[in-house]
Amino acid sequence: DAGVTQSPTHLIKTRGQQVTLRCSPKSGHDTVSWYQQALGQGPQFIFQYYEEEERQRGNFPDRFSGHQFPNYSSELNVNALLLGDSALYLCASSLAGGLGQPQHFGDGTRLSIL
Amino acid sequence: KNEVEQSPQNLTAQEGEFITINCSYSVGISALHWLQQHPGGGIVSLFMLSSGKKKHGRLIATINIQEKHSSLHITASHPRDSAVYICAVGRGVHGAQKLVFGQGTRLTINP
Repeated sequence: DAGVTQSPTHLIKTRGQQVTLRCSPKSGHDTVSWYQQALGQGPQFIFQYYEEEERQRGNFPDRFSGHQFPNYSSELNVNALLLGDSALYLCASSLAGGLGQPQHFGDGTRLSIL
Repeated sequence: KNEVEQSPQNLTAQEGEFITINCSYSVGISALHWLQQHPGGGIVSLFMLSSGKKKHGRLIATINIQEKHSSLHITASHPRDSAVYICAVGRGVHGAQKLVFGQGTRLTINP
Protein backbone atom coordinates (compact mmCIF):
# COMPACT_ATOMS: atom_id res chain seq x y z
CA ASP A 1 0.00 0.00 0.00
CA ALA A 2 1.78 3.11 -1.26
CA GLY A 3 1.89 6.07 1.06
CA VAL A 4 1.94 9.69 0.00
CA THR A 5 4.41 10.28 -2.83
CA GLN A 6 5.77 13.64 -3.92
CA SER A 7 7.82 14.66 -6.93
CA PRO A 8 10.37 15.89 -7.55
CA THR A 9 12.38 15.43 -4.36
CA HIS A 10 14.62 18.42 -5.07
CA LEU A 11 14.30 21.38 -7.40
CA ILE A 12 16.39 24.45 -8.12
CA LYS A 13 14.83 27.49 -9.78
CA THR A 14 15.71 31.14 -10.25
CA ARG A 15 13.73 34.19 -9.23
CA GLY A 16 10.76 34.95 -11.44
CA GLN A 17 10.36 31.41 -12.70
CA GLN A 18 7.35 29.19 -12.18
CA VAL A 19 7.29 25.75 -10.56
CA THR A 20 4.87 22.81 -10.31
CA LEU A 21 5.07 20.26 -7.52
CA ARG A 22 3.13 17.01 -7.54
CA CYS A 23 1.55 14.80 -4.92
CA SER A 24 -0.16 11.41 -5.02
CA PRO A 25 -2.20 10.72 -1.89
CA LYS A 26 -2.22 7.53 0.12
CA SER A 27 -4.50 4.93 -1.41
CA GLY A 28 -8.09 5.55 -0.36
CA HIS A 29 -7.55 9.15 0.69
CA ASP A 30 -9.51 11.92 -0.99
CA THR A 31 -8.22 15.10 0.64
CA VAL A 32 -4.85 16.71 -0.01
CA SER A 33 -3.25 19.50 2.00
CA TRP A 34 -0.10 21.42 1.15
CA TYR A 35 2.32 22.94 3.65
CA GLN A 36 5.42 25.12 3.35
CA GLN A 37 8.24 24.57 5.82
CA ALA A 38 11.02 27.15 5.94
CA LEU A 39 14.35 26.10 7.40
CA GLY A 40 14.15 25.76 11.17
CA GLN A 41 10.43 26.47 11.30
CA GLY A 42 7.28 24.42 11.62
CA PRO A 43 5.18 23.84 8.50
CA GLN A 44 2.64 26.49 7.46
CA PHE A 45 -0.69 25.57 5.88
CA ILE A 46 -1.01 26.68 2.23
CA PHE A 47 -4.32 25.16 1.12
CA GLN A 48 -6.42 22.03 1.05
CA TYR A 49 -8.21 20.31 -1.84
CA TYR A 50 -11.23 18.06 -1.75
CA GLU A 51 -13.45 16.99 -4.66
CA GLU A 52 -11.21 18.95 -7.02
CA GLU A 53 -11.91 22.23 -5.24
CA GLU A 54 -9.88 24.39 -2.88
CA ARG A 55 -11.66 23.98 0.44
CA GLN A 56 -9.45 26.05 2.74
CA ARG A 57 -6.58 28.45 2.24
CA GLY A 58 -3.89 29.75 4.53
CA ASN A 59 -2.23 33.14 4.45
CA PHE A 60 -0.41 32.76 1.14
CA PRO A 61 -0.54 35.09 -1.89
CA ASP A 62 -2.30 34.28 -5.14
CA ARG A 63 1.06 33.29 -6.64
CA PHE A 64 0.39 29.98 -4.91
CA SER A 65 -2.29 27.97 -6.67
CA GLY A 66 -3.23 24.36 -6.87
CA HIS A 67 -5.28 21.73 -8.52
CA GLN A 68 -6.74 18.36 -7.66
CA PHE A 69 -7.44 15.75 -10.31
CA PRO A 70 -10.26 13.17 -10.43
CA ASN A 71 -7.84 10.50 -9.14
CA TYR A 72 -7.26 12.73 -6.06
CA SER A 73 -3.65 13.57 -6.97
CA SER A 74 -2.74 17.21 -6.63
CA GLU A 75 -0.39 19.87 -7.94
CA LEU A 76 0.98 22.98 -6.27
CA ASN A 77 1.97 25.81 -8.61
CA VAL A 78 4.01 28.81 -7.61
CA ASN A 79 4.45 31.73 -10.02
CA ALA A 80 6.97 34.57 -10.00
CA LEU A 81 9.25 32.79 -7.57
CA LEU A 82 10.92 34.81 -4.83
CA LEU A 83 13.99 33.96 -2.80
CA GLY A 84 11.69 33.60 0.22
CA ASP A 85 9.87 30.73 -1.48
CA SER A 86 12.86 28.50 -0.80
CA ALA A 87 11.50 25.83 1.52
CA LEU A 88 10.43 22.22 1.94
CA TYR A 89 6.96 21.74 0.50
CA LEU A 90 5.00 18.97 2.17
CA CYS A 91 1.89 17.25 0.95
CA ALA A 92 -0.43 15.44 3.35
CA SER A 93 -3.45 13.29 2.54
CA SER A 94 -6.40 12.31 4.65
CA LEU A 95 -9.98 11.16 4.48
CA ALA A 96 -12.69 13.76 4.44
CA GLY A 97 -15.77 13.42 6.57
CA GLY A 98 -15.27 15.31 9.74
CA LEU A 99 -12.75 16.49 12.22
CA GLY A 100 -9.91 14.57 13.75
CA GLN A 101 -8.79 12.61 10.70
CA PRO A 102 -5.12 11.66 10.79
CA GLN A 103 -2.97 13.11 8.04
CA HIS A 104 -0.27 11.14 6.23
CA PHE A 105 2.73 13.08 4.95
CA GLY A 106 4.98 12.67 1.97
CA ASP A 107 8.75 13.18 2.18
CA GLY A 108 8.45 16.64 0.66
CA THR A 109 9.96 18.56 -2.23
CA ARG A 110 12.90 20.77 -1.35
CA LEU A 111 12.73 23.91 -3.49
CA SER A 112 15.74 26.20 -3.72
CA ILE A 113 15.50 29.60 -5.38
CA LEU A 114 18.70 31.20 -6.65
CA LYS B 1 2.22 35.07 19.69
CA ASN B 2 2.03 31.74 17.88
CA GLU B 3 -1.12 29.69 18.29
CA VAL B 4 1.04 26.66 19.16
CA GLU B 5 4.11 26.97 21.35
CA GLN B 6 6.58 24.20 22.09
CA SER B 7 9.31 23.94 24.68
CA PRO B 8 12.14 23.43 24.74
CA GLN B 9 13.26 24.35 21.22
CA ASN B 10 16.39 22.22 21.57
CA LEU B 11 17.04 19.33 23.92
CA THR B 12 20.18 17.23 24.31
CA ALA B 13 20.20 14.22 26.61
CA GLN B 14 22.10 11.03 27.31
CA GLU B 15 20.89 7.63 26.21
CA GLY B 16 18.45 6.18 28.73
CA GLU B 17 17.13 9.50 30.04
CA PHE B 18 13.42 10.27 30.36
CA ILE B 19 12.44 13.00 27.88
CA THR B 20 9.56 15.45 28.09
CA ILE B 21 8.52 17.89 25.37
CA ASN B 22 5.74 20.35 26.08
CA CYS B 23 3.13 21.96 23.84
CA SER B 24 0.68 24.76 24.66
CA TYR B 25 -2.00 26.08 22.37
CA SER B 26 -4.30 29.06 22.51
CA VAL B 27 -7.19 28.12 20.21
CA GLY B 28 -10.00 25.63 20.09
CA ILE B 29 -8.95 22.39 18.48
CA SER B 30 -10.44 19.20 17.09
CA ALA B 31 -7.40 17.10 17.97
CA LEU B 32 -3.74 17.44 18.84
CA HIS B 33 -1.04 15.67 16.86
CA TRP B 34 2.52 14.75 17.74
CA LEU B 35 4.74 14.24 14.72
CA GLN B 36 8.35 13.21 14.17
CA GLN B 37 10.53 14.66 11.44
CA HIS B 38 13.92 13.20 10.55
CA PRO B 39 16.68 15.16 8.78
CA GLY B 40 15.52 14.00 5.35
CA GLY B 41 12.31 15.94 5.87
CA GLY B 42 9.62 13.27 5.92
CA ILE B 43 7.07 13.57 8.70
CA VAL B 44 5.66 10.60 10.58
CA SER B 45 2.54 10.84 12.70
CA LEU B 46 3.13 9.54 16.22
CA PHE B 47 -0.12 10.33 18.01
CA MET B 48 -3.45 12.00 17.46
CA LEU B 49 -5.38 12.66 20.65
CA SER B 50 -8.27 14.75 21.87
CA SER B 51 -8.33 13.69 25.52
CA GLY B 52 -6.42 11.73 28.12
CA LYS B 53 -3.35 9.73 27.32
CA LYS B 54 -1.98 7.44 24.62
CA LYS B 55 1.00 5.10 24.71
CA HIS B 56 2.92 3.45 21.92
CA GLY B 57 6.04 1.57 22.88
CA ARG B 58 8.35 3.97 24.70
CA LEU B 59 6.32 7.01 23.69
CA ILE B 60 3.54 8.50 25.78
CA ALA B 61 1.39 11.51 24.89
CA THR B 62 -0.95 13.31 27.26
CA ILE B 63 -3.33 16.19 26.81
CA ASN B 64 -5.16 18.48 29.25
CA ILE B 65 -7.97 20.15 27.34
CA GLN B 66 -8.86 22.58 30.13
CA GLU B 67 -5.28 23.84 30.39
CA LYS B 68 -4.69 23.67 26.60
CA HIS B 69 -1.49 21.73 27.17
CA SER B 70 0.02 18.50 25.93
CA SER B 71 3.22 16.62 26.66
CA LEU B 72 5.19 14.00 24.77
CA HIS B 73 7.32 11.68 26.88
CA ILE B 74 10.01 9.27 25.75
CA THR B 75 11.14 6.63 28.21
CA ALA B 76 14.56 4.96 28.02
CA SER B 77 15.65 7.31 25.23
CA HIS B 78 17.92 5.99 22.48
CA PRO B 79 20.08 7.73 19.88
CA ARG B 80 17.64 6.63 17.17
CA ASP B 81 15.04 8.88 18.86
CA SER B 82 17.07 11.89 17.69
CA ALA B 83 14.76 13.93 15.46
CA VAL B 84 12.57 17.02 15.44
CA TYR B 85 9.32 16.51 17.31
CA ILE B 86 6.46 18.72 16.24
CA CYS B 87 3.18 19.44 17.96
CA ALA B 88 0.28 20.39 15.70
CA VAL B 89 -3.34 21.17 16.42
CA GLY B 90 -6.19 20.31 14.11
CA ARG B 91 -8.57 23.16 13.40
CA GLY B 92 -11.78 22.42 11.63
CA VAL B 93 -13.57 24.57 9.13
CA HIS B 94 -16.76 23.34 7.47
CA GLY B 95 -15.88 19.73 8.21
CA ALA B 96 -12.33 20.05 6.95
CA GLN B 97 -9.28 20.01 9.15
CA LYS B 98 -6.05 21.89 8.72
CA LEU B 99 -3.03 21.55 10.96
CA VAL B 100 -1.40 24.47 12.77
CA PHE B 101 2.13 23.56 13.77
CA GLY B 102 4.47 24.48 16.55
CA GLN B 103 8.04 25.35 15.66
CA GLY B 104 9.34 21.93 16.67
CA THR B 105 11.74 20.60 19.30
CA ARG B 106 15.09 19.32 18.09
CA LEU B 107 16.00 16.31 20.23
CA THR B 108 19.51 14.85 20.28
CA ILE B 109 20.22 11.69 22.27
CA ASN B 110 23.90 10.99 22.80
CA PRO B 111 25.14 7.43 23.34
